[in-house]
Amino acid sequence: GAVVSQHPSRVICKSGTSVKIECRSLDFQATTMFWYRQFPKKSLMLMATSNEGSKATYEQGVEKDKFLINHASLTLSTLTVTSAHPEDSSFYICSATTTSGAETQYFGPGTRLLVL
Amino acid sequence: GENVEQHPSTLSVQEGDSAVIKCTYSDSASNYFPWYKQELGKRPQLIIDIRSNVGEKKDQRIAVTLNKTAKHFSLHITETQPEDSAVYFCAASSARTSYDKVIFGPGTSLSVIP
Repeated sequence: GAVVSQHPSRVICKSGTSVKIECRSLDFQATTMFWYRQFPKKSLMLMATSNEGSKATYEQGVEKDKFLINHASLTLSTLTVTSAHPEDSSFYICSATTTSGAETQYFGPGTRLLVL
Repeated sequence: GENVEQHPSTLSVQEGDSAVIKCTYSDSASNYFPWYKQELGKRPQLIIDIRSNVGEKKDQRIAVTLNKTAKHFSLHITETQPEDSAVYFCAASSARTSYDKVIFGPGTSLSVIP
């Protein structure tokens, strides 16, 4: 149980375009989902916390207009990288908790974004 | 906010030896400390966790200890095997709000030499 999927697994796009990444909880309802960014050989940097039905909470330094997060249902959260630039190239990983207040996070497989 | 430090950044051990990774945290309100293992190109996987009301927890070859007073917690892997080679992240979480934000340490790259 507690499986999280992400789509796409890899995406290459041109500079200036927008890219949408989906995060789904397959066998549970996820009240809260988290979006992380990971650079090569680096740690996971929390970008934002997404709660179903409400606005996402962004970490300091993360541009909310650049990284749009929508959590429309208890099983789906999306991250849209708007007007992508080469510096946005990274590994983006989502995670979800099974119930509100439960600490264990289950991670998606990640999405590798390359902006040319 | 919470800050988690982790040492060493790289660790190389002979197969069968033990490996110890140490972490410190800054927020005394943190009460949940998970450890994740991430293999290259894969998602982080939870391997063990400990809560602030417990000082030690063991699961087969893996154990975690917590010193709340010193704000230290450590991961111990005994009888290491080549498949233990990966990056290990410690993390700390405080249920201050309606959601649980987990802050990760910088990671330790463990290599187990056959």
